[in-house]
Amino acid sequence: AQSVTQLDSQVPVFEEAPVELRCNYSSSVSVYLFWYVQYPNQGLQLLLKYLSGSTLVESINGFEAEFNKSQTSFHLRKPSVHISDTAEYFCAVSDSFQKLVFGTGTRLLVSP
Amino acid sequence: SQTIHQWPATLVQPVGSPLSLECTVEGTSNPNLYWYRQAAGRGLQLLFYSVGIGQISSEVPQNLSASRPQDRQFILSSKKLLLSDSGFYLCAWRVGGRRETQYFGPGTRLLVL
Repeated sequence: AQSVTQLDSQVPVFEEAPVELRCNYSSSVSVYLFWYVQYPNQGLQLLLKYLSGSTLVESINGFEAEFNKSQTSFHLRKPSVHISDTAEYFCAVSDSFQKLVFGTGTRLLVSP
Repeated sequence: SQTIHQWPATLVQPVGSPLSLECTVEGTSNPNLYWYRQAAGRGLQLLFYSVGIGQISSEVPQNLSASRPQDRQFILSSKKLLLSDSGFYLCAWRVGGRRETQYFGPGTRLLVL
């Protein structure tokens, strides 16, 4: 069975500092990986995804994640965060596309 | 373009009352549809998914049921709500192929008192 671990429940950071949100997964087959962002009282929005090809994927708002098969990780990074990046971030894994398995989420708190 | 709607946005219900949450998708046909629950301080738990009309797969045994009476309509129901049913309920639909992604609705916040 698949599982996703997001070890950090909350990550406080100052504006313009770099950040890394960690995600590790377990799966016995090829996987597809996703990061979603949830702003307060809203649904989830896709941030970026890895399906195949280049192991480094980027979002339009400066986030990136790298698929590392040997370490079974898909950490999310941003070199300089903004106040508006404050949100909850969910990592998810799928092996069949039919279903996603989500981590418990990491709350990113950006302060001035 | 495709959009996904959920209603109501917020609901407060007494224990033991029935529940009906509705999700509809526009701009696509024969979508895979999903119901998730997000409890306070926890991640998303997949409750049900459907690959077509009348086809429901249940992921966890619980007090809830789902139905898909029309191609783009997915309903989450309960005959008698429990306190533990409180949470944020999210509906999603899946785009397959090279654009493989699940897109989420705005959610329904349910408080059972």
